[in-house]
Amino acid sequence: DAGVTQSPTHLIKTRGQQVTLRCSPKSGHDTVSWYQQALGQGPQFIFQYYEEEERQRGNFPDRFSGHQYPNYSSELNVNALLLGDSALYLCASSATTGGDSPLHFGNGTRLTVT
Amino acid sequence: GQQVMQIPQYQHVQEGEDFTTYCNSSTTLSNIQWYKQRPGGHPVFLIQLVKSGEVKKQKRLTFQFGEAKKNSSLHITATQTTDVGTYVCGVYTGTASKLTFGTGTRLQVTL
Repeated sequence: DAGVTQSPTHLIKTRGQQVTLRCSPKSGHDTVSWYQQALGQGPQFIFQYYEEEERQRGNFPDRFSGHQYPNYSSELNVNALLLGDSALYLCASSATTGGDSPLHFGNGTRLTVT
Repeated sequence: GQQVMQIPQYQHVQEGEDFTTYCNSSTTLSNIQWYKQRPGGHPVFLIQLVKSGEVKKQKRLTFQFGEAKKNSSLHITATQTTDVGTYVCGVYTGTASKLTFGTGTRLQVTL
């Protein structure tokens, strides 16, 4: 039973560039949430996808966008990268959009913007 | 938006000592979850508390939900080096389906 998988594991980009991160949820999960985690901080909610739609969004600019495919996999896109976007990006999946579901996290993508 | 404060931010203990981290909210919570993140790793779900005053135990870990459902604690008895990591609480509030995390408490255990 595969858990949450993310790719790539590491990425280095230059300011102004665009990046796409990918996530495949745990088998049986239909909801995907994306988090940004800066060093020494707790994960910050970016957005959540369910049934191919963005259901919730955190306090992130429109440069951050996403997509969910019919097979529940998801992408996170960040445009016009800033140095401050350097962080660990975590994908988490769950079985429902309700408040009782624990999240299963992937290993994350470490993004460095230079 | 929902804010969750965790204290302390960091604690360094000798192996065998106890450790406690606290998660505090200004609003009443529907439930609270605890996660552990090892250095260089990702958060791993530990437990969920739902009822007022609930206490749950996992071996040396004791989790408690406050009577007013506004705070929670995680207590580790007789820490071991394997307990090293960051302990983070996460909360769902109201009808929101997003899990908001606290700032985390980083635990360092030395021999």
